[in-house]
Amino acid sequence: RKEVEQDPGPFNVPEGATVAFNCTYSNSASQSFFWYRQDCRKEPKLLMSVYSSGNEDGRFTAQLNRASQYISLLIRDSKLSDSATYLCVVNLNTNAGKSTFGDGTTLTVKP
Amino acid sequence: GAGVSQSPSNKVTEKGKDVELRCDPISGHTALYWYRQSLGQGLEFLIYFQGNSAPDKSGLPSDRFSAERTGGSVSTLTIQRTQQEDSAVYLCASSFAGGVEQYFGPGTRLTVT
Repeated sequence: RKEVEQDPGPFNVPEGATVAFNCTYSNSASQSFFWYRQDCRKEPKLLMSVYSSGNEDGRFTAQLNRASQYISLLIRDSKLSDSATYLCVVNLNTNAGKSTFGDGTTLTVKP
Repeated sequence: GAGVSQSPSNKVTEKGKDVELRCDPISGHTALYWYRQSLGQGLEFLIYFQGNSAPDKSGLPSDRFSAERTGGSVSTLTIQRTQQEDSAVYLCASSFAGGVEQYFGPGTRLTVT
């Protein structure tokens, strides 16, 4: 079993749709969690951190469920520019150290 | 300010040759990471540095791979006797000690022919 698992998709949605991605992790001692975005043939870029209380940044909402060991990303009012691969990242320690990336979920937003 | 830079951006080499990939982290970032990403695949962790030390080398795929970091700044990843399966994009990232938000460089696309 992979340490971090994501549904690879692809998710194909129309503009304006709401879409949600889940990510599960196997190590219950994991401490910090992130979502990154990767555009085709580009490097990953941090989208948002995921906090225990859940957090929102504009159209994006991230949530953490420690009991079930999963994190989620919700995108509301999808834009064409949201088309990308979304990577879930899990760290054992909050002070740097190895990060484990999921293989990513691909989103395509269509007109 | 300047982001993470990597060189070369592209490298084509013959099977059996050695290659060196370079990473310049963001100034002040003490943690540095190397990853590998094959086409259409996720990121594969290779090695992590805190300062000049590498507390986690668990991801290096074989003894043909080595990395060093000097002066707490620039890092080089060396692949000896390259094989075709080494072809991938090699990504470097850096972060502040104590923080794990990583900032990635543009990567080096390595092709072994």
